[in-house]
Amino acid sequence: KAGVTQTPRYLIKTRGQQVTLSCSPISGHRSVSWYQQTPGQGLQFLFEYFSETQRNKGNFPGRFSGRQFSNSRSEMNVSTLELGDSALYLCASSTPGTGGDEQYFGPGTRLTVT
Amino acid sequence: DQQVKQNSPSLSVQEGRISILNCDYTNSMFDYFLWYKKYPAEGPTFLISISSIKDKNEDGRFTVFLNKSAKHLSLHIVPSQPGDSAVYFCAANSGGSNYKLTFGKGTLLTVNP
Repeated sequence: KAGVTQTPRYLIKTRGQQVTLSCSPISGHRSVSWYQQTPGQGLQFLFEYFSETQRNKGNFPGRFSGRQFSNSRSEMNVSTLELGDSALYLCASSTPGTGGDEQYFGPGTRLTVT
Repeated sequence: DQQVKQNSPSLSVQEGRISILNCDYTNSMFDYFLWYKKYPAEGPTFLISISSIKDKNEDGRFTVFLNKSAKHLSLHIVPSQPGDSAVYFCAANSGGSNYKLTFGKGTLLTVNP
């Protein structure tokens, strides 16, 4: 079974631009969560989608948004990029029945904002 | 406010010895705890978990202990191997339909041959 895939793996953007990151969960997984990892703050929860609905949201500004498609693939978008948005963005998927606790992570997208 | 804390940024142990990684939490609503391991340039990999109704869970060389009264958990790795060298994250969840994991900042474990 293929793991969680994220595209692109690396991205360089300029301040003020917007960016869209993509995540394909493990086949059969319907929950997709997004996390931001930075050296100073560690791993922080952005949001979680299940059956195309956002169920949970972390404490990030409205510039961070996401969506999930009917095939469970998910995208996250960051508008008006700031230097502080430079981070590793991780996507994780899980399946009902495990309580959503055992999340399986993709390799991440490394975003650099200049 | 950091709800999950890993106070040791790094830990170094000799191959074959025990590695003990510690984690403290403040939120009493957390009822499920997990440990993840992360190598550079990879996403975190699930290692072991424990429910708040238990105080110990074992999986091979890995054992997690939970002390609810102290709001403390620890991961024991015995015996430690050089391949265990990675960053270890403690995470917590309040369960139910809440799929939001709250992570500690991680501990870099180095196992020396």
